[in-house]
Amino acid sequence: GAVVSQHPSWVICKSGTSVKIECRSLDFQATTMFWYRQFPKQSLMLMATSNEGSKATYEQGVEKDKFLINHASLTLSTLTVTSAHPEDSSFYICSARDWVSYNEQFFGPGTRLTVL
Amino acid sequence: AQSVTQLGSHVSVSEGALVLLRCNYSSSVPPYLFWYVQYPNQGLQLLLKYTTGATLVKGINGFEAEFKKSETSFHLTKPSAHMSDAAEYFCAVTLPSGYSTLTFGKGTMLLVSP
Repeated sequence: GAVVSQHPSWVICKSGTSVKIECRSLDFQATTMFWYRQFPKQSLMLMATSNEGSKATYEQGVEKDKFLINHASLTLSTLTVTSAHPEDSSFYICSARDWVSYNEQFFGPGTRLTVL
Repeated sequence: AQSVTQLGSHVSVSEGALVLLRCNYSSSVPPYLFWYVQYPNQGLQLLLKYTTGATLVKGINGFEAEFKKSETSFHLTKPSAHMSDAAEYFCAVTLPSGYSTLTFGKGTMLLVSP
């Protein structure tokens, strides 16, 4: 149980285009989803927290207009990187938790974004 | 606010040797603690967690960790390293609240030599 998927697993795009990454909880209802960014050989940096049906809460220094997060249902959250630039290239990981195990997060497999 | 310190960005062991990865935390209240493993280009897999109760926690793949409040530590151990254990390991802390986020350490890369 508690499986989280991400799609796509990797994406390459041209500078200036927008990219959407999906995060799905497959066998539970995710009341909260999290988006992390991970640079090579570094730890995970929390970008934002989203609760179903509410606006996402962004961490300090994360551009809300560049990283659009939507959590429209209890099983799906999306991260859209708008007008992507090479510096946005990174590994993006989502996680989810439900109201039962609210202190434990279940992680997706990650999405590798490369902006040319 | 809570924080996590992982001592040693890299730890090297020989196959069959004891694995010890160190994690110290700082928290204003008794925290929940986690160890995750990450293989290259993959997400995080939970190894074990401590919430309440028994302070010695056993996880998957033969790993275990002991919560020591007096030392504010949650070190990860495995009696005998296997080549497949080579990966990045992250210690994380959260507060026992429904609204708390996870705070990760910087990670420790475990290298296993034959």
